[in-house]
Amino acid sequence: QKEVEQNSGPLSVPEGAIASLNCTYSDRGSQSFFWYRQYSGKSPELIMSIYSNGDKEDGRFTAQLNKASQYVSLLIRDSQPSDSATYLCAVKAGGSYIPTFGRGTSLIVHP
Amino acid sequence: SAVISQKPSRDICQRGTSLTIQCQVDSQVTMMFWYRQQPGQSLTLIATANQGSEATYESGFVIDKFPISRPNLTFSTLTVSNMSPEDSSIYLCSVAKQNEAFFGQGTRLTVV
Repeated sequence: QKEVEQNSGPLSVPEGAIASLNCTYSDRGSQSFFWYRQYSGKSPELIMSIYSNGDKEDGRFTAQLNKASQYVSLLIRDSQPSDSATYLCAVKAGGSYIPTFGRGTSLIVHP
Repeated sequence: SAVISQKPSRDICQRGTSLTIQCQVDSQVTMMFWYRQQPGQSLTLIATANQGSEATYESGFVIDKFPISRPNLTFSTLTVSNMSPEDSSIYLCSVAKQNEAFFGQGTRLTVV
């Protein structure tokens, strides 16, 4: 059974702070890793993909991958109230079209 | 990315009736999927919609309850049949493109 674990939160951070969202996965064959943002009442939106160990930066977002520890994280710098949403981690094995999703972490950025 | 149009966006239905949800993609895609998301929960895959053949259903989901059509590479429908209040959920169409998954806007279904 492939599992993707996330702390459900909520994670509350003040505006301007760094929000750190974490995800662990069970399948060592996983090769693709994704972060989705889901606003309340909306569908998931892909914000980051990462495929190799290390950091990948895109604007205020940094994804970090450590395959040895089976751990992927998302850092949001200079957090804004508009970042308040649920963040879903998704993991996909090589050759598979279907990602496994975590239950998501609720992030609240307060002014 | 992909532009995915899903409709209806929401509906309130009587128990025992059926609802068909449509999903239209702006380009041809091989892989289309249907998910369900219940309040506070993550995404549960219902089935993979296969063009030209029967859909592939995940454990716990059956064709009689969730018939799926995939007449071409840009369109699919999911029908929720003989609905009960337990079917109240958000239903999401998804496509795989260049190793990434994209979602339609979702259909919020309430069964009364």
